[in-house]
Amino acid sequence: SQTIHQWPATLVQPVGSPLSLECTVEGTSNPNLYWYRQAAGRGLQLLFYSVGIGQISSEVPQNLSASRPQDRQFILSSKKLLLSDSGFYLCAWAANTEAFFGQGTRLTVV
Amino acid sequence: RKEVEQDPGPFNVPEGATVAFNCTYSNSASQSFFWYRQDCRKEPKLLMSVYSSGNEDGRFTAQLNRASQYISLLIRDSKLSDSATYLCVVNPYQTGANNLFFGTGTRLTVIP
Repeated sequence: SQTIHQWPATLVQPVGSPLSLECTVEGTSNPNLYWYRQAAGRGLQLLFYSVGIGQISSEVPQNLSASRPQDRQFILSSKKLLLSDSGFYLCAWAANTEAFFGQGTRLTVV
Repeated sequence: RKEVEQDPGPFNVPEGATVAFNCTYSNSASQSFFWYRQDCRKEPKLLMSVYSSGNEDGRFTAQLNRASQYISLLIRDSKLSDSATYLCVVNPYQTGANNLFFGTGTRLTVIP
């Protein structure tokens, strides 16, 4: 069966520090992978999606970037965090039209 | 206008009650519809897909009204464990989860 792993679960980072969140999927090949952000009291916002190695599409301009160095690995990064980057970050993979989420990373920028 | 709109609630209902949530969508050509459940500080998990003819899974019934562009979720005989946020999700296209639009969620609290 397919599983998705995301880490770390929680992170507190100072403004201006770098960020790296990692997500891996097991049990499937060539998955579509996604990064979402959920701000407090708000809906899920799609940040990036990838249909293959090295292929990244950005949905909104922002202080973040994504990379897909391997088929089942998706990384979310930032060179310098802003306060507004705080939120709940979710990695997901898709089968047909349904999305399955990782456990999420709660990021607090202080 | 937002792609997907939900009443944020909160809905506070006693155990055993029946509760219904509605969700409206703006794109009349939307193809796929889902309800996800999200527990506090956890990731969303697929609760059920919504089919044109309506579908039922135990105490949960999902319905689609294309004419009025809304989907609904009915929960019968509410349990304490049903307390969560319920997200309405719409895909305007037949494939590609990059096109999923999520509602902001409706919060349900079932009271003993």
